[in-house]
Amino acid sequence: EAGVAQSPRYKIIEKRQSVAFWCNPISGHATLYWYQQILGQGPKLLIQFQNNGVVDDSQLPKDRFSAERLKGVDSTLKIQPAKLEDSAVYLCASSPDPGSADTQYFGPGTRLTVL
Amino acid sequence: AQKITQTQPGMFVQEKEAVTLDCTYDTSDPSYGLFWYKQPSSGEMIFLIYQGSYDQQNATEGRYSLNFQKARKSANLVISASQLGDSAMYFCAMGSNDYKLSFGAGTTVTVRA
Repeated sequence: EAGVAQSPRYKIIEKRQSVAFWCNPISGHATLYWYQQILGQGPKLLIQFQNNGVVDDSQLPKDRFSAERLKGVDSTLKIQPAKLEDSAVYLCASSPDPGSADTQYFGPGTRLTVL
Repeated sequence: AQKITQTQPGMFVQEKEAVTLDCTYDTSDPSYGLFWYKQPSSGEMIFLIYQGSYDQQNATEGRYSLNFQKARKSANLVISASQLGDSAMYFCAMGSNDYKLSFGAGTTVTVRA
């Protein structure tokens, strides 16, 4: 079974530029998550999708971050414009159904550096 | 609000020995799940083990076991017979009825030959 796919793996941009990350979850997984992991910290949830609907985006800085999952499968996370503090690893995860007992499976992450 | 605390920023362990990573949590939800993930330098979060709040027995997965003490709100991870490949960052996380995973700050484990 293929795991969660993410691209690109690395991205370096200058502040005020735009960037987009792509995630393809495990086949059949209804729930998709985007996390931000700043160096030395645990991941922080940015947004959660159930199929193509948003379940929780309370931690997403909506003035600059946006995400979509139009067909309920793959997803794109965008930052526009980027700030220095956006430098982090962006992790995508998926799970079959949401629930406290449901394991989330993570992709390899995209390491973003904003100069 | 949920909170996960990992008080050990870094630990060293000799190869073939066991190591215990501490995790305490705080929640008012009656039903929740506790997870441990491993993050090697490559960056991917690898699921290791899960414990449900109503599970009577401690979870085990190969060399990983979870020492769950519900009254103390602790969920420590025990890695037995450490291997060099176990060197990584380890995160404790909790999921509850709001479907979110809350992560601790992590513990870095370095296995010495």
